[in-house]
Amino acid sequence: EVQLVESGGGLIQPGGSLRLSCAASGFNFRSYAMTWVRQAPGKGLKWVSTISATGYSTYYADSVKGRFTISRDSSKNTVYLQMHSLRAEDTALYYCAKKTGVAGDLDSWGQGTLVTVSS
Amino acid sequence: DIQMTQSPSSLSASVGDRVTITCRASQSISNSLNWYQQNTGKAPKLLIYATSSLQSGVPSRFSGSGSGTDFTLTISSLQPEDFATYYCQQSYSDLLSFGPGTKLDIQ
Repeated sequence: EVQLVESGGGLIQPGGSLRLSCAASGFNFRSYAMTWVRQAPGKGLKWVSTISATGYSTYYADSVKGRFTISRDSSKNTVYLQMHSLRAEDTALYYCAKKTGVAGDLDSWGQGTLVTVSS
Repeated sequence: DIQMTQSPSSLSASVGDRVTITCRASQSISNSLNWYQQNTGKAPKLLIYATSSLQSGVPSRFSGSGSGTDFTLTISSLQPEDFATYYCQQSYSDLLSFGPGTKLDIQ
């Protein structure tokens, strides 16, 4: 059974930094791209970032480019999202998702970790 | 970037109704369109991938169609557990994007 468990969220002041983690199990982690999606309170889903299976390619939404960095550690089956210069508008529930190789859909999701940016 | 729109934004229906949700892309995305269901307080769940392929375990009352820029999700006979929010998502570009969502509630 695929499991994705996010952690690292919390309350952070504007301008601060936070690193989210997503521990994966139940599938061959090295074979799949991984994605972060966020959802602000009461709002819709917004794609944040994707990292390829090899880790060589990374992609970012314009709203986070230059502030967020996605990475992965295949020895730990974990994907990370390093977030800097956090803003109030980054407040959201952050989901980690497994991206399939063929259709590019997100077929497994974690339960999310909440990031609140507030003074 | 590819922009996704959905209509309607909300929809009231009854158990047993047939409902259709529409999704439109700002440019052709071939068949790279996926649908998700999200219940309140829960993570999204993949329903349909590649426009019309049903994810394992998803009831056959869900179906998808379309190509290019226009796509639809149809629920043939609504069940109580189907009242949720539905999102389309394009995977044509590496820069993924979601539609704004359609909230389906009980009439």
